[in-house]
Amino acid sequence: SYELTQPPSVSVSPGQTASITCSGDELGDKYACWYQQKPGQSPVLVIFEDVKRPSGIPERFSGSNSGNTATLTISGTQAMDEADYYCQAWDSSTRCEFGGGTKLTVL
Amino acid sequence: EVQLVESGGGSVQPGGSLRLSCAASGFTFSSYEMNWVRQAPGKGLEWVSYISRSGDTIYYADSLKGRTTLSRDNAKNSVYLRVNSLKAEDTAVYYCAREGLGATKYFDVWGRGTLVTVSS
Repeated sequence: SYELTQPPSVSVSPGQTASITCSGDELGDKYACWYQQKPGQSPVLVIFEDVKRPSGIPERFSGSNSGNTATLTISGTQAMDEADYYCQAWDSSTRCEFGGGTKLTVL
Repeated sequence: EVQLVESGGGSVQPGGSLRLSCAASGFTFSSYEMNWVRQAPGKGLEWVSYISRSGDTIYYADSLKGRTTLSRDNAKNSVYLRVNSLKAEDTAVYYCAREGLGATKYFDVWGRGTLVTVSS
């Protein structure tokens, strides 16, 4: 089965840039998206189709995807961005995969 | 307001069955593909199943294939997930998620989830 690998945790200081990676075989040939999940809440889509932001998502969230790695970048990270982040891609049109999740700590 | 509301969760003994429902409102339900995603306590997200707009195409994750039936009723703006032969490892919050209308598959609206606990 297709696997997406994320670092378990990432730490960033307030105002700095956080980068969360998602690795998978030839992931750049697929579309990746990213979800933010805060404790006790449902996931929220923050990036889709590699680079697009849904309405209401701050501009500080951006994405890229090339080769075997997709990256979620949060510029000027704020305390409210502390959350778990999951990448997602479809292995084929019939199988959806999530990464294991990355806990972002803003300290 | 665009909304998905799951129901039907609860406690069930191993080997039992549950039927989860997801009621949609605030959008044209029949125009959207739908999915279920689950999350075990303290764990990550796991995709469960997909259903096309008309309901004629359905996919299941390997972990639930053969034990799960997904269906939808566009007249009732609802999607239903039945899981049989429940195991302890099926304990999770089950989310209903709408697929966006872009070029690829992503989940742009999520419900609040319904908790399924499998325990004797």
